[in-house]
Amino acid sequence: AQKVTQAQTEISVVEKEDVTLDCVYETRDTTYYLFWYKQPPSGELVFLIRRNSFDEQNEISGRYSWNFQKSTSSFNFTITASQVVDSAVYFCALKVGNEKLTFGTGTRLTIIP
Amino acid sequence: DAGVTQSPTHLIKTRGQQVTLRCSPKSGHDTVSWYQQALGQGPQFIFQYYEEEERQRGNFPDRFSGHQFPNYSSELNVNALLLGDSALYLCASSSRQGFQHNEQFFGPGTRLTVL
Repeated sequence: AQKVTQAQTEISVVEKEDVTLDCVYETRDTTYYLFWYKQPPSGELVFLIRRNSFDEQNEISGRYSWNFQKSTSSFNFTITASQVVDSAVYFCALKVGNEKLTFGTGTRLTIIP
Repeated sequence: DAGVTQSPTHLIKTRGQQVTLRCSPKSGHDTVSWYQQALGQGPQFIFQYYEEEERQRGNFPDRFSGHQFPNYSSELNVNALLLGDSALYLCASSSRQGFQHNEQFFGPGTRLTVL
């Protein structure tokens, strides 16, 4: 069985600060995919990134970066120089093959102007 | 290129009633998955349809059923509604072709309120 843990329920930071959202996953499979989704108040889940289990390279996309460490089963997400538009709920998710997406409980991020 | 669409946007029902939610997948996608997201929780997998058949199912009772049509669109039916069925219902589409099969695109969801 798969499991995703997002221990941070809510985080608030002042605009322009950096913030890291933690994600820890559990799976017995050696081939799997990890995802991050953003859910603004409108409710739609917006895809941010997909990472497969064989690619541990960190990735940077603008102000977003992701740190994947198989040794600690973690896939953390960092926003640099946060902006008010980054305020949302962020979900980490795990997928094995064609199986379902298993989501964490989400982290509500509030950026204070 | 239209993304995933869902209807209706909002729905209010009373306990014991039945409801049907609809989803049209993204163009080129052949697989539809349904998720239930209770307030303050992460989405929970209900089931997945591919080639008009239910392929996988999460831990949901038989009151939850679905269908996929030849054009790949899908319906989620919930019978004998309970207060606990109140949630945001999300539809996700994906393709089983090549590398694309691991990325799911989500629709805006249907907010169901059971009174």
